[in-house]
Amino acid sequence: GAVVSQHPSRVICKSGTSVKIECRSLDFQATTMFWYRQFPKQSLMLMATSNEGSKATYEQGVEKDKFLINHASLTLSTLTVTSAHPEDSSFYICSARDQTGDTGELFFGEGSRLTVL
Amino acid sequence: AQSVTQLGSHVSVSEGALVLLRCNYSSSVPPYLFWYVQYPNQGLQLLLKYTSAATLVKGINGFEAEFKKSETSFHLTKPSAHMSDAAEYFCAVTKGGYNKLIFGAGTRLAVHP
Repeated sequence: GAVVSQHPSRVICKSGTSVKIECRSLDFQATTMFWYRQFPKQSLMLMATSNEGSKATYEQGVEKDKFLINHASLTLSTLTVTSAHPEDSSFYICSARDQTGDTGELFFGEGSRLTVL
Repeated sequence: AQSVTQLGSHVSVSEGALVLLRCNYSSSVPPYLFWYVQYPNQGLQLLLKYTSAATLVKGINGFEAEFKKSETSFHLTKPSAHMSDAAEYFCAVTKGGYNKLIFGAGTRLAVHP
């Protein structure tokens, strides 16, 4: 199946710094990618829909200035957590859909665990 | 609005026993429904999906699910559990088509010898 790769898989940063997480579709093009956040032992919460070449669409309650999303190419979306605080510590997961011959399946990255000290 | 409810946050079965994970959905339009599995510290892997074709859907690893419109359910089953099936399972729904996924709270499956 199609592969979605996230980097880094783990990151630890100090409070107040910014952290960038990359999501790449390795063998397909994705005009749309999705960013999820998952708290320990909880479900995935959709944060935003990343659209190639245009602004991301954020879900209600998600601060767009806090979580900057850039989808500059058909294979790469980035999530930047700006001025991170301990409450931003979480598992962030991206997903993408292979638009060509769309089977409806979303492919998920391995996730990125952010720890803010 | 679309939503899914997974009944039972934890399910424990013996190896070789039937696995039944429950999912009920709410949707104002014909839904597309999915089951995903997540192993610790990993992303999600698709087990199976329902997209308005056959109501009994077979997936990977011996799992299957049946779409029952009258019961608004999409329960996941496997006849015989393996130790390797221990993981977190998520039911998800989209709004008619391949749109963003809305996930249920998840069910953690434990398999004991």
